[in-house]
Amino acid sequence: QQPVQSPQAVILREGEDAVINCSSSKALYSVHWYRQKHGEAPVFLMILLKGGEQKGHDKISASFNEKKQQSSLYLTASQLSYSGTYFCGTRYSSNTGKLIFGQGTTLQVKP
Amino acid sequence: DADVTQTPRNRITKTGKRIMLECSQTKGHDRMYWYRQDPGLGLRLIYYSFDVKDINKGEISDGYSVSRQAQAKFSLSLESAIPNQTALYFCATSTIGTGSVHEQYFGPGTRLTVT
Repeated sequence: QQPVQSPQAVILREGEDAVINCSSSKALYSVHWYRQKHGEAPVFLMILLKGGEQKGHDKISASFNEKKQQSSLYLTASQLSYSGTYFCGTRYSSNTGKLIFGQGTTLQVKP
Repeated sequence: DADVTQTPRNRITKTGKRIMLECSQTKGHDRMYWYRQDPGLGLRLIYYSFDVKDINKGEISDGYSVSRQAQAKFSLSLESAIPNQTALYFCATSTIGTGSVHEQYFGPGTRLTVT
């Protein structure tokens, strides 16, 4: 049931763009994105609800494709501060508050 | 002061020992969770609780137990620690927000090593 994230790791230069995908084999109700900086706790970025609109957070945005049961996180014009591990957390129904997290995607932004 | 605190922050213990990890929160949230993080495996849910009288197993509950002593406190116990329980453990809290958003707030983590 664990969603699959791709790629596992990305290395970018400042100003470059990146896309992180989160795919589920089971129908999704919502997808939550978190970022964890090295040595810190994960921090919530945004949530995508089924039937909802694409969300944004600074130059980070995300979409939810119900047909593919997939969410994508878009990082535009990457900054050094974007470095960290990105996790998607999935909910499969509105009745549950628990999240099932993917394995994470490590993003490194270099000067 | 931190909203979600975990004690201890680091712990080294021996195989077979009983150990308890504690989590406290001042956010007033009703829902609390325990996760473990291992490299390459992401965050895996051990147990979760939606109120004091509600305890649920997560994906990897074998070898663990929990206690919800109060709305603000949620403890994780390893009855007989084994080396493959060496990991980083996170506590998290949430509540139903606007639009049913269940944003989770994580504690700083406890790094547990079982030798």
